[in-house]
Amino acid sequence: GAVVSQHPSRVICKSGTSVKIECRSLDFQATTMFWYRQFPKQSLMLMATSNEGSKATYEQGVEKDKFLINHASLTLSTLTVTSAHPEDSSFYICSASRGGSTDTQYFGPGTRLTVL
Amino acid sequence: EDKVVQSPLSLVVHEGDTVTLNCSYEVTNFRSLLWYKQEKKAPTFLFMLTSSGIEKKSGRLSSILDKKELFSILNITATQTGDSAVYLCAGNYNTDKLIFGTGTRLQVFP
Repeated sequence: GAVVSQHPSRVICKSGTSVKIECRSLDFQATTMFWYRQFPKQSLMLMATSNEGSKATYEQGVEKDKFLINHASLTLSTLTVTSAHPEDSSFYICSASRGGSTDTQYFGPGTRLTVL
Repeated sequence: EDKVVQSPLSLVVHEGDTVTLNCSYEVTNFRSLLWYKQEKKAPTFLFMLTSSGIEKKSGRLSSILDKKELFSILNITATQTGDSAVYLCAGNYNTDKLIFGTGTRLQVFP
């Protein structure tokens, strides 16, 4: 299989605090990991792409200083939402890919962030 | 601008009905088209289509890609209440990036 986990599954925090979300590929090595956010009843929007050992590539309109991504190993990527505000409340989903032209992305279960 | 458009936006059917979900795409450096099922949490992978005209099947679900018309369909036969979900279509481009459509919300009633 290709299992991706995320932790935590749900987090509620106060405005101004930072929140770290972990994404792990449990049974394979992920060359590339992706971070998405999804607002209610909307589709997934790609935020950034990260490759192990290198800086993440952010999509247009995504603030790299606000959404810090670290891809420290082939099985772990973290997203830190810094100085979170209520408008950052969303469903954050990571996915992982082994790489190669025929591989697909395997999604984690998602993290629901609520900023009060 | 790259885009993936799905139709219909929502669909309500009775158990046993057959449904067809549509996906059209305009994606630069297109590599493949993927279908996902999303219930309450993250999407689960259904199909990846890279070649035109070759149908992929998994149980009651099947899908096909038309690269000339930039179109794909997902068929579900003999629908069950457990098929109720949002079905997402995504175009894969460049290395591994995905651009998602807005999804089709399917509701199957007994």
